[in-house]
Amino acid sequence: GQSLEQPSEVTAVEGAIVQINCTYQTSGFYGLSWYQQHDGGAPTFLSYNALDGLEETGRFSSFLSRSDSYGYLLLQELQMKDSASYFCAVRVTGGSQGNLIFGKGTKLSVKP
Amino acid sequence: KAGVTQTPRYLIKTRGQQVTLSCSPISGHRSVSWYQQTPGQGLQFLFEYFSETQRNKGNFPGRFSGRQFSNSRSEMNVSTLELGDSALYLCASSLSDGAGDTQYFGPGTRLTVL
Repeated sequence: GQSLEQPSEVTAVEGAIVQINCTYQTSGFYGLSWYQQHDGGAPTFLSYNALDGLEETGRFSSFLSRSDSYGYLLLQELQMKDSASYFCAVRVTGGSQGNLIFGKGTKLSVKP
Repeated sequence: KAGVTQTPRYLIKTRGQQVTLSCSPISGHRSVSWYQQTPGQGLQFLFEYFSETQRNKGNFPGRFSGRQFSNSRSEMNVSTLELGDSALYLCASSLSDGAGDTQYFGPGTRLTVL
């Protein structure tokens, strides 16, 4: 089957750096996306990696390695407002072509 | 530009009933996708519509159906509701067919089945 695995919870302190990993099992996909969702809110897009390597957007960076079936989201200079759930997602090719598959999310708690 | 809107925001139904949820995408977006979000299963893809045609479908029973209108607005219907259908139903729109296109999510409809 197709699945994405993420840690369920991560805790970090304000100002620190945190990395949220995403490992996947899928026969093929177009790229790896990351979304943020605050409690009671809708998911919002953060980042997309079509190719291997690092993509940087302000305090957030995302990395993809297709050979290792692995990606991560890096959050720097953590702020209290970064407390939220973070989801990785892939749009698969092949049998379920076009379907967007999400990991179950990582709940990040930022402490003062 | 106005964001994705979903109505109603909250809904309470009883087992066996049916429900219709509505989604209005961002102006100019032709793709609308629906997701079910629950604490246990996370975000699960239901289906995607593009130009009034269902383009992709997730692994949900036939009780879940949808449609898209010529103005890109979409509805999803769940018939013969079960307790397990209680969830947050999210709609997302995107600009085009691109594999990396960003999904813009609406606030969701919270469905409770009693």
